[in-house]
Amino acid sequence: DVHLLESGGGLVQPGKSLRLSCAASGFTFSNYAMNWVRQAPGKGLEWVATISFSGDSTFFSDSVKGRFSISRDNSKNTLFLQMNSLRVEDTAIYYCAKCLWSATPLFDYWGQGVLVTVSS
Amino acid sequence: DIQMTQSPTSLSASVGDRVTITCRASQDIINFLAWYQQKPGQVPKLLIYAASTLQSGVPSRFSGSGSGTDFTLTISGLQPEDVATYYCQKYNSAPFTFGPGTRVD
Repeated sequence: DVHLLESGGGLVQPGKSLRLSCAASGFTFSNYAMNWVRQAPGKGLEWVATISFSGDSTFFSDSVKGRFSISRDNSKNTLFLQMNSLRVEDTAIYYCAKCLWSATPLFDYWGQGVLVTVSS
Repeated sequence: DIQMTQSPTSLSASVGDRVTITCRASQDIINFLAWYQQKPGQVPKLLIYAASTLQSGVPSRFSGSGSGTDFTLTISGLQPEDVATYYCQKYNSAPFTFGPGTRVD
């Protein structure tokens, strides 16, 4: 079975950094693009970032471009989201999501999410 | 960037009702449109992609249609377990924007 487990969330002050991880299992991680999607408390879904299966290509929403970076370690089946210059509005549950096919940004499996709270 | 809108914002329906949700893109996205269901307290679930293709395991009472800028999700015979918020998503090119959601009670 596909399993995605996020970690690294928590409470952080505005302007600080945080690194999220997503440990993947149950599929050939290196064959699939991976994604981060977030959901602010009581709000809708917001796509955050996508990385190609090789890690060569990355895409970001305008709201995080220049502040967040996405990376992966295919040898360890792990996805990362480095979040810098955090803002109060970045407070959300962050989900790691697998692409349905290798490179198509359709999200067929989701982790349970990790809460990031940005507050002073 | 292409903007995604949904209507209605919320709706209330009875078991057995036919429910229709509309999603509109601000520019032509051909058929690169997906629908997700998020039940309360759960993670989202992919229902439909390519505007009308049912994801494996999704009940046949769910259907999708549309192309270009206007799309619909239809639930034919609403069931109690369909209480959820439904989101559309464009995936033709980045940003892979979600619609604001439609809550079905």
